[in-house]
Amino acid sequence: SQQGEEDPQALSIQEGENATMNCSYKTSINNLQWYRQNSGRGLVHLILIRSNEREKHSGRLRVTLDTSKKSSSLLITASRAADTASYFCATAYSGAGSYQLTFGKGTKLSVIP
Amino acid sequence: DVKVTQSSRYLVKRTGEKVFLECVQDMDHENMFWYRQDPGLGLRLIYFSYDVKMKEKGDIPEGYSVSREKKERFSLILESASTNQTSMYLCASSNPGGNEKLFFGSGTQLSVL
Repeated sequence: SQQGEEDPQALSIQEGENATMNCSYKTSINNLQWYRQNSGRGLVHLILIRSNEREKHSGRLRVTLDTSKKSSSLLITASRAADTASYFCATAYSGAGSYQLTFGKGTKLSVIP
Repeated sequence: DVKVTQSSRYLVKRTGEKVFLECVQDMDHENMFWYRQDPGLGLRLIYFSYDVKMKEKGDIPEGYSVSREKKERFSLILESASTNQTSMYLCASSNPGGNEKLFFGSGTQLSVL
């Protein structure tokens, strides 16, 4: 399995602080994606970063990718209570004519008002 | 708004029953996926399909089958449900080309008693 690993497993911060989550993976990838999941619901795509990119921004989100270290980080700035959710990284790779998106186990973020 | 619809939000079945989980997308996506999500294990890919009547096994296909008779519909079948198939099941779809972002349904929480 190519499963990525998020770190930490759980994170609790005060509203207004920044939250940083990390993801490590094992093999070469085409891109890496971050998703968010509110409790008991489906996942929602946040941001995609391709293997030839090093940093990407979307609103209060900043994603970095270091392919030499096989790692990525997701930074949420000025967090809000509504950011409370689980966050998953997913790695995309192609091989043998097929393609899959493989998810990590997630980081559970709690933002305290 | 793009939409992936899973037929049931909650489902309770008995051991040995045949179970159908239905998923419909309205985005004309070629790729569709079934994942299961369990605490501590993250999302694991069961089956995926990149075309009508095409299917490929994911990481954990045992005990499951799928059907893709129409482009918009992807069904997951549990031939004989067992208690270890109690889980959250998530359907997703994506654009052709692979490695693009996934759109998820809201999930079906299946309990097998």
